[in-house]
Amino acid sequence: ETGVTQSPTHLIKTRGQQVTLRCSSQSGHNTVSWYQQALGQGPQFIFQYYREEENGRGNFPPRFSGLQFPNYSSELNVNALELDDSALYLCASSPGLPGSTDTQYFGPGTRLTVL
Amino acid sequence: QQPVQSPQAVILREGEDAVINCSSSKALYSVHWYRQKHGEAPIFLMILLKGGEQKGHDKISASFNEKKQQSSLYLTASQLSYSGTYFCGTPKLSFGAGTTVTVRA
Repeated sequence: ETGVTQSPTHLIKTRGQQVTLRCSSQSGHNTVSWYQQALGQGPQFIFQYYREEENGRGNFPPRFSGLQFPNYSSELNVNALELDDSALYLCASSPGLPGSTDTQYFGPGTRLTVL
Repeated sequence: QQPVQSPQAVILREGEDAVINCSSSKALYSVHWYRQKHGEAPIFLMILLKGGEQKGHDKISASFNEKKQQSSLYLTASQLSYSGTYFCGTPKLSFGAGTTVTVRA
């Protein structure tokens, strides 16, 4: 148990739709990162938020966006879903400042399937 | 760009040792190692910091060669619980494709 929760557990959408995934971090964890993990691959960094501001972004298009809220929850929004967006989406929180060497605590993930 | 891990997979008997390697084309200031069991979230194992400081697991060790941008994770006297997929990476960068370790009795 890492204290990080994600919802929903599984989700099925069709191409072109929009989706919102949610993450609840541990209290006091000001940094949250989102990752996409395709089957058989390692987690790929999407973006990171620190105190409600985006603080770094990986190689993902603008249709991937996020929000972080003062209550240590965050969202990942994906517009205009494509078949290749099918993956496990992980959020990870840490207590430290962005770029610190603190441990990241991963949530169990949301499995998104795009048909 | 994600780190490159080798080997892709390794099968061990309980008590055997293994080494997992991780190399990056980008400068690494720290290396994080995680283990993920099927259907579960990645779990933190180890952080290796530039300058040699190491934080983490006392039953699994690791090294970090900053100049070569390489890290190695050492599984010593493996236990059944060591089975899983091991990832290396740095936060805000992506993780390697993983090394699947299977430990058999």
